Amino acid sequence: DGGITQSPKYLFRKEGQNVTLSCEQNLNHDAMYWYRQDPGQGLRLIYYSQIVNDFQKGDIAEGYSVSREKKESFPLTVTSAQKNPTAFYLCASSIEGGLSSYNEQFFGPGTRLTVL
Amino acid sequence: GDSVTQMEGPVTLSEEAFLTINCTYTATGYPSLFWYVQYPGEGLQLLLKATKADDKGSNKGFEATYRKETTSFHLEKGSVQVSDSAVYFCALMNTGNQFYFGTGTSLTVIP
Repeated sequence: DGGITQSPKYLFRKEGQNVTLSCEQNLNHDAMYWYRQDPGQGLRLIYYSQIVNDFQKGDIAEGYSVSREKKESFPLTVTSAQKNPTAFYLCASSIEGGLSSYNEQFFGPGTRLTVL
Repeated sequence: GDSVTQMEGPVTLSEEAFLTINCTYTATGYPSLFWYVQYPGEGLQLLLKATKADDKGSNKGFEATYRKETTSFHLEKGSVQVSDSAVYFCALMNTGNQFYFGTGTSLTVIP
């Protein structure tokens, strides 16, 4: 079955520690995205990548980093510089990342990160 | 810039009631419009979409019509069920594959 997997589903971290959230897709999609979801605030874009070895900052990139070494993988690192990292993190992908594309985004099940 | 505004919740309805969740947008050009649904503890699932003016998206009894003259994409269902309880997000996508989501509307359907 094709889809997007995120792991782990729940993650706990001590303050001051970096942590990496996994996102893998086997849909052969070019574009991948990371969103943060907080109660009452909807989704906010952290980073996105339209092709391998390229990525751009979204609206709230500070304190986060990403890599896109493989088409199917787009891990997100939450660094100690992120002041309020407790949130629900969603990964998504879409077929193309270029202009004039009108393809929906497919979402993973999410990772809930809690900083203790 | 592009943006989406949807009605604030929470919305509570009795089973078989009529549902409307309002969504309006601001965008340059001709965006595609989407409704996503999120069940508790899960990711978002595409519910329906419309890619041009006057298109009607429909799925699982839900409908929404792309109204360019009123820049709206309101979600409707004639008879809701308890299983429809979820958070609903309106979204638009413009050129460059950039998505813009509304803040979500929580729906609870009681028996």
